[in-house]
Amino acid sequence: EAGVTQFPSHSVIEKGQTVTLRCDPISGHDNLYWYRRVMGKEIKFLLHFVKESKQDESGMPNNRFLAERTGGTYSTLKVQPAELEDSGVYFCASSQDRAGGYTFGSGTRLTVV
Amino acid sequence: AQSVAQPEDQVNVAEGNPLTVKCTYSVSGNPYLFWYVQYPNRGLQFLLKYITGDNLVKGSYGFEAEFNKSQTSFHLKKPSALVSDSALYFCAVRALYNNNDMRFGAGTRLTVKP
Repeated sequence: EAGVTQFPSHSVIEKGQTVTLRCDPISGHDNLYWYRRVMGKEIKFLLHFVKESKQDESGMPNNRFLAERTGGTYSTLKVQPAELEDSGVYFCASSQDRAGGYTFGSGTRLTVV
Repeated sequence: AQSVAQPEDQVNVAEGNPLTVKCTYSVSGNPYLFWYVQYPNRGLQFLLKYITGDNLVKGSYGFEAEFNKSQTSFHLKKPSALVSDSALYFCAVRALYNNNDMRFGAGTRLTVKP
């Protein structure tokens, strides 16, 4: 089966611009998660979708971040406008049920300059 | 809310020697515990997990981890390290009976030298 796919793998944007990250989970996985790792720090939870619904978005840092999962398939994470501190690696993961481990994508490395 | 601590940023071992990567956790109730590994330019890969049962859990690539409830630890171990084990290792915890999701530690960079 195909794994979790994230696009783009790298993105370099200027402060104030907008960037949209995309995650395609494993087909049939209802649970989709976004995480972020800022250089040298822990991987931090951003939010959790169950199908198209936001189950938990307690980790979203501020209202410059908007996540969607229309139709319960792929998800997008938009940062608008981007700030320097938004730089990091954004991981997406999916799981079939909440008891098991997650399958992660390769991540999107975002650099805001 | 649950949390994870990985007290070592960096672990260096010689090839063939045993390795340990430490992890302690905090969670209300019973934990699900996980180890993930990230190789350069790759995503996080699942290594092993503890849910219930034997405290010693065996996973991929010869790794194992021991769940110690009294010490709230879940250290990752391997009897004989390989150079190819060099990577970034993350410990993670989820609470069993609430709606909080997985929380990760800061990661430990393992370097195995020939």
